[in-house]
Order: sequence, then structure tokens, then C-alpha cells
Amino acid sequence: NAGVIQTPRHKVTGKGQEATLWCEPISGHSAVFWYRQTIVQGLEFLTYFRNQAPIDDSGMPKERFSAQMPNQSHSTLKIQSTQPQDSAVYLCASSLAGRGNTEVFFGKGTRLTVV
Amino acid sequence: GDSVTQTEGLVTVTEGLPVMLNCTYQTAYSDVAFFWYVQYLNEAPKLLLRSSTDNKRTEHQGFHATLHKSSSSFHLQKSSVQLSDSALYYCALRTNTGKLTFGDGTVLTVKP
Repeated sequence: NAGVIQTPRHKVTGKGQEATLWCEPISGHSAVFWYRQTIVQGLEFLTYFRNQAPIDDSGMPKERFSAQMPNQSHSTLKIQSTQPQDSAVYLCASSLAGRGNTEVFFGKGTRLTVV
Repeated sequence: GDSVTQTEGLVTVTEGLPVMLNCTYQTAYSDVAFFWYVQYLNEAPKLLLRSSTDNKRTEHQGFHATLHKSSSSFHLQKSSVQLSDSALYYCALRTNTGKLTFGDGTVLTVKP
């Protein structure tokens, strides 16, 4: 079990460019989450999929952020027209079940730096 | 919406002494699970404790927590901290929608 895999681990983009972050959840896990982590905001919820269907995207900045899960083996988070305030560590997580006290496993994150 | 409050942003404790990290919550759901996650420097958050049973103590790696629905709390405690416990600790709740919501986190620093 390789755990939740996120690529790339580090990404530097220029202001206004697009950034796509990739996540491969643990095989067999039905729930996939995206979070943004900064020193100021902590672990900020972005979006959540269950069985590939979007369940809750209440944390997503609507204009420039989008997330997809085209199949059960990967999810992408796309940020258009990146801004310096988008600089953060983006964490993907997955769990076996879609609810309850099932453990949620985190990837090591993608550190996005917008210059 | 659901919310988790961790009142201390930074806690400093001397090695060997006890510590309690506070966690309170608000949710409209009755079927809720609670978690403590620990994150060491440059690592991913990982599960420390979890519970969904009212008034039942759960323990792991010397830490313990008891869910008290009457006071909407799930405080984390340890009777004798070690230098290796220095880390960022997050409290979280998960409702039956599946969404996992975290508090702002508490940095625990253990000094010799």
C-alpha cells in the first residue's frame, strides 16, 4: 500500500498561469478529499467526492478552482489564473468508507508557490 | 454549518508534565465521529485518536480523549509529555454526510 500519492510534490507557477495538481487515492477507497493548508488558515476544506461523485464543494473558491474525479484511481485539482494568495500546501486524502469514524489517510501534499 | 474550535494556537509544556489540548464543536448532526490528527514537521497529518461513542475514553500512544456530547467537547490529554510529542495537533469532526472538518490546530512544543 503506497498510500495516497500526490504529484508533483512541489510546483512553482507564475502569476496568472494555470496549475493542475494530481492525486491517486488508496485503492478501494470511496471517499476523496482536497484540503489547502497554510500557516494562517490551517487545514481548510476545499471539496469532497464519494464514489467519484462530487458531494460537497463548499470550500472551493468558485471562480478559479475546480476539481474532478474522472475515475476511481485519480482526482485533479485545477487552479486557473493563479494568484500569490493561492500559495499553500494542497493535501489530498482518502478513506475506505464515505462516513463514520473510518480513518482518513493523507498524502504528503503538493506545495504550490505562485511567484 | 459544522465547526471545530481549538482555543489554543500554541501550547508549551515541560517534558514529563501533563498537557490538555482543548477541542469543542458545533454541529446539527447527531451521528458524528471525532478525530485527533497529529502532523510532524514536513509530514502529512496522521490519525492519533478517533471516537464516536459518548462518554467513552479512547487511548493511543499515551494520549487519551473522551467525547462528551453534553459539553460538545473532545479534549486531548496526556499525563506525561515527551520531547517527541512536539507537533501540530488537529481536532476534527465527520458528519454522516462524510465531510471532515478540522479546527485551526494547536502547536504543541515540549521543552526539556
